[in-house]
Order: sequence, then structure tokens, then C-alpha cells
Amino acid sequence: DGGITQSPKYLFRKEGQNVTLSCEQNLNHDAMYWYRQDPGQGLRLIYYSQIVNDFQKGDIAEGYSVSREKKESFPLTVTSAQKNPTAFYLCASSNRDRGANSPLHFGNGTRLTVT
Amino acid sequence: GNSVTQMEGPVTLSEEAFLTINCTYTATGYPSLFWYVQYPGEGLQLLLKATKADDKGSNKGFEATYRKETTSFHLEKGSVQVSDSAVYFCALSPGNNRLAFGKGNQVVVIP
Repeated sequence: DGGITQSPKYLFRKEGQNVTLSCEQNLNHDAMYWYRQDPGQGLRLIYYSQIVNDFQKGDIAEGYSVSREKKESFPLTVTSAQKNPTAFYLCASSNRDRGANSPLHFGNGTRLTVT
Repeated sequence: GNSVTQMEGPVTLSEEAFLTINCTYTATGYPSLFWYVQYPGEGLQLLLKATKADDKGSNKGFEATYRKETTSFHLEKGSVQVSDSAVYFCALSPGNNRLAFGKGNQVVVIP
């Protein structure tokens, strides 16, 4: 079955440590995205990538970094510079060629807790 | 800019009741509109979509009509079930693959 896999489901880190969240897709989608979800705030875009070796900042990129070395993979690093890293992180992908009509396919998320 | 506004607060209703969740949008051009659903502990799933004015999206008994004159895309279901308890997000796509999401509405259906 095609889909998006995020791992791990739960992640705990100490303040000051960098942490990398994994996202893998086998849908052959060109575009991939990282969102952050906080209670009552909906989804906010962190970074997105429309093609391998290229990515753009979203609305809340400060304190995060990404890479896109392979089409299937789009890992997100939460750095120690991110002031409020505790959140639910969602990865998504879409078929870029379908433009505005292309829905996003989401993974099941990683809940990160930093203490 | 592009934005989506959903009605404030959770929605609690009894099984078999009628559900409406309001969604209005602001956008330049002619965006596509979506409703996504999120079950506890999971990511979002596409529920339905509409790509042009007067289109009606429908799925699993849910419907929403793209109303350009009122810039709205309200979600409705005639008879809800306990299994419909989830968070519902309205979203728009202006054509650059950067979706704008509303804040979501928690729906709780009581048996």
C-alpha cells in the first residue's frame, strides 16, 4: 500500500538537543511538506519541497531545518534554537503536477515533547 | 493574502442530528477548496473537495458547496454517527501547493 510513514510516533528530548523527525513516502509524489499542529491553532507550514534538492521556508521556519536528498524522504530537524518545540508534527506529500487540485496526503504524525 | 476562517469552538451533538460547520475564505483568484478530517492520534485525511464555483463535493454522507458569492464552503451531514467524532479542517489551495488551513473544529457526537 502506498502512503507516508512518520517515525517515531512519540519522541522525547531534553531542552538544548537537536532532534530529527523522519518522513518517508512511496507515493512517487514530487512535493513534500512539514506542518506543525498546536491546540487551537490549526496547521502551520514549516518547510516544503517541490522537487529533490530544493526546499522553501514556510510560515514558521525559524529553529527548523530540512533536507531533500531523495524523492522519498524529507527529514525535519528541530534545533535547539526553536523556542517552543513541543508540538505534533505532520508530514504530507502531493502530486505537484496536478496543481491546485492536488490534495495533500498526510502521515500519522510525530508527537515531540521537549522538557 | 489567502486565509480560511472556521466557526469558533467545539461542536457537540447527539447521534442522528444534523451537522453544519461553517467555513469562509479570503483568496485571490480561484482557489480549490477542501475539507479534511483528523481522527484522534492520526494525521489528516481528505474528506471532500471542490475545484470551482458551484461545485459540490461529497463523501461518506458529508457535503459542501463552493459558493463564490459568499466565499463559503460550509460542511454538512444530515445524520451524524458516533464514528464521525473527529476534528474537521477547511482548507484552500491557491494554486501554488501551499494550502491555507482553518483552525479546525472538534466534533463530538454523543450516543
